[in-house]
Amino acid sequence: DAGVIQSPRHEVTEMGQEVTLRCKPISGHDYLFWYRQTMMRGLELLIYFNNNVPIDDSGMPEDRFSAKMPNASFSTLKIQPSEPRDSAVYFCASSVTTGTQYFGPGTRLLVL
Amino acid sequence: GENVEQHPSTLSVQEGDSAVIKCTYSDSASNYFPWYKQELGKRPQLIIDIRSNVGEKKDQRIAVTLNKTAKHFSLHITETQPEDSAVYFCAASKTGNQFYFGTGTSLTVIP
Repeated sequence: DAGVIQSPRHEVTEMGQEVTLRCKPISGHDYLFWYRQTMMRGLELLIYFNNNVPIDDSGMPEDRFSAKMPNASFSTLKIQPSEPRDSAVYFCASSVTTGTQYFGPGTRLLVL
Repeated sequence: GENVEQHPSTLSVQEGDSAVIKCTYSDSASNYFPWYKQELGKRPQLIIDIRSNVGEKKDQRIAVTLNKTAKHFSLHITETQPEDSAVYFCAASKTGNQFYFGTGTSLTVIP
């Protein structure tokens, strides 16, 4: 199994631009999580899905952030418009019901 | 929601010594406590976990203890090695899927 796949691995963009991060969970996993990691705030859960349905998005910082999961093998996290304070590493993770969360390699985002 | 505090934020030990990292949680309904290790520039990876019906769990040089009454749990690493150097995160969950992470402990093992 290839594990959780994320793309791109690195993204540099200018303030105001739209950013789309992509995630492919492990096949058969029914939970998908989006996290943001910064030095100041650590690992924060942004949103998670169960069977493609968003369950809790209370961690999404503001309306500029949106996430979708159109099918069991793909999810996106979109930031529009991006701001410098959005610079962070964004991780996607997946799990089977109440099991171990397997993290992807992360997307390192830099907003100039 | 749940609040997880983790201490210390940094820890340096000599190779071969033991390392202990402690976490406290606020929600008495939390019943699942995983520990993740994150090497520099890498993804977090689960190293051990414990559920609330167990007081202690051990896996080779790593052990976790849980005190439900006091709402704290700890990670113990014995006979530390340089490859144990990493950031360690504790987490608590009452649903088994929504994790609340601690702020991390940067462990350095000095050869």
